[in-house]
Amino acid sequence: NAGVMQNPRHLVRRRGQEARLRCSPMKGHSHVYWYRQLPEEGLKFMVYLQKENIIDESGMPKERFSAEFPKEGPSILRIQQVVRGDSAAYFCASSLDRNTEAFFGQGTRLTVV
Amino acid sequence: QKEVEQNSGPLSVPEGAIASLNCTYSDRVSQSFFWYRQYSGKSPELIMSIYSNGDKEDGRFTAQLNKASQYVSLLIRDSQPSDSATYLCAVIYYGQNFVFGPGTRLSVLP
Repeated sequence: NAGVMQNPRHLVRRRGQEARLRCSPMKGHSHVYWYRQLPEEGLKFMVYLQKENIIDESGMPKERFSAEFPKEGPSILRIQQVVRGDSAAYFCASSLDRNTEAFFGQGTRLTVV
Repeated sequence: QKEVEQNSGPLSVPEGAIASLNCTYSDRVSQSFFWYRQYSGKSPELIMSIYSNGDKEDGRFTAQLNKASQYVSLLIRDSQPSDSATYLCAVIYYGQNFVFGPGTRLSVLP
């Protein structure tokens, strides 16, 4: 029973490029959460999705960031025209339903150069 | 967004002692509470979930929930150096998603 899978584990992008981060939830899980974490800081909520729907995107910047969770395939967090301040660890978590425990993937470390 | 607060660290305890980590939240309607452990450079790992008042034990870990006082705590008995990590409290507020506290860094000294 595979856990939450994120890829790539490390991603380097030049300023102005696009970054695509993928998250495959645990089998049977239809709820996905994305968080960002800067070094030595806490987890900052970005977006919560359920299959084909964005439930809460209150933590996501209005510009350059978007997320989706299609009926088939992984959830995608997309960052357009990356800037140095986007460098962080991005974690995805999935849960069976809204009020139960969530399990995290290993994260994607994004570095913008 | 509602907040989750944790006692500021770092918290240092000697090996074999009991480590006590506390967390407070702001909504009595909340139903779901979780403790995660995060080692430096790694992703958060679920340790305990607790949904009703009282204590829940799992090995050396005990979670305690008091909804009237709006706090949840984590006790680690017989602390080991391998327990040194940041511990994150998470709450699911009604109508919201997981809200994480800032974390408490624990150091267990050999």
